[in-house]
Amino acid sequence: DQQVKQNSPSLSVQEGRISILNCDYTNSMFDYFLWYKKYPAEGPTFLISISSIKDKNEDGRFTVFLNKSAKHLSLHIVPSQPGDSAVYFCAATRNRDDKIIFGKGTRLHILP
Amino acid sequence: DAMVIQNPRYQVTQFGKPVTLSCSQTLNHNVMYWYQQKSSQAPKLLFHYYDKDFNNEADTPDNFQSRRPNTSFCFLDIRSPGLGDAAMYLCATSRDSRETQYFGPGTRLLVL
Repeated sequence: DQQVKQNSPSLSVQEGRISILNCDYTNSMFDYFLWYKKYPAEGPTFLISISSIKDKNEDGRFTVFLNKSAKHLSLHIVPSQPGDSAVYFCAATRNRDDKIIFGKGTRLHILP
Repeated sequence: DAMVIQNPRYQVTQFGKPVTLSCSQTLNHNVMYWYQQKSSQAPKLLFHYYDKDFNNEADTPDNFQSRRPNTSFCFLDIRSPGLGDAAMYLCATSRDSRETQYFGPGTRLLVL
């Protein structure tokens, strides 16, 4: 039973446009959410996170939005750049010291 | 400079032949994790060490064992690999259980 769902296996976006990656979760006890980015032949690297007490967190071109009532979060990348082509994993945890539950990932292709 | 190193990057073993995967870190982090990621699936936590304390996930098969002889090194032992154990194995570290996890590049295991 997947607690963190990324329903889009892949997404293609034109360079310079906005990329929106979506994630849904089922466990209402989750209170901390993370996005990891993974390039081929490398391990996932932490990108951005958000606590459940917030609904938005911004870091440069990356913004994560959290809608607790819908149990939904999204990662916005604007403007999208070629180096953003990667697999993005949504993840969630409870109390931050519980294990991290990952989604299956969404592969983002930035088109020239 | 590599911070979390996994060796080998690719490992081929035979059905039932024990195999050991290695992870080392230069970050002096307290926590080390082992994840299994099968194709197009989410990374799944197998177990983790907080310092010398071993924490096994309830659904991790007994076939999987781990050792952490010192702060820097952690090993994943698969006693009798089956075809279903073919996967990418990711090692990660964090300074504390609430801190960001840093992943290694992974070891891809193939079972013949």
